[in-house]
Amino acid sequence: DVKVTQSSRYLVKRTGEKVFLECVQDMDHENMFWYRQDPGLGLRLIYFSYDVKMKEKGDIPEGYSVSREKKERFSLILESASTNQTSMYLCASSLRLRGRRGQFFGPGTRLTVL
Amino acid sequence: DAKTTQPPSMDCAEGRAANLPCNHSTISGNEYVYWYRQIHSQGPQYIIHGLKNNETNEMASLIITEDRKSSTLILPHATLRDTAVYYCIVRVGNTGGFKTIFGAGTRLFVKA
Repeated sequence: DVKVTQSSRYLVKRTGEKVFLECVQDMDHENMFWYRQDPGLGLRLIYFSYDVKMKEKGDIPEGYSVSREKKERFSLILESASTNQTSMYLCASSLRLRGRRGQFFGPGTRLTVL
Repeated sequence: DAKTTQPPSMDCAEGRAANLPCNHSTISGNEYVYWYRQIHSQGPQYIIHGLKNNETNEMASLIITEDRKSSTLILPHATLRDTAVYYCIVRVGNTGGFKTIFGAGTRLFVKA
């Protein structure tokens, strides 16, 4: 089975801090995604990557950046955390961009920005 | 991607079939219907998907109407562990996961 892991389940940071969220998948998937999930808003795509060093903006990229230096690892960076970035962050991977199989999600990181 | 409409919550007795409806009246001919579920404090989990024909796997069955404007996810023998939020989404099969739009979903409560 595909395993997608995220570095932390819970994280508390202060406003203005730089925050790194790490995601690792172990099935050699080309595609990786970062979402945030908020009550009443569902999952919203922040960024995705379809190959090493490649990235594309999703629907809400503002305030975030990403890094994909290795195929198995996709990092989400909050350059200067703000309180409105308090959310559940979910990482996902899939076999290929044009594949029809669903995405595999990690357990999520609940980030609180004070 | 087409918008979907689901009831906000449903109850089901343990051991009975859970039938979760989804309306997607604006679905395009090349859009697939996908179902995911999210158990509390976990990431979403893929369940099943289909285009036109009904589909069945080890987790569930998917019934798609002939006009493709609605579908039903069927959990044949619901257990307490099936209590979760179920998301119905539609998207073009060859565009992978980006631009996938998850709505509010249906919160299924399976009761003993």
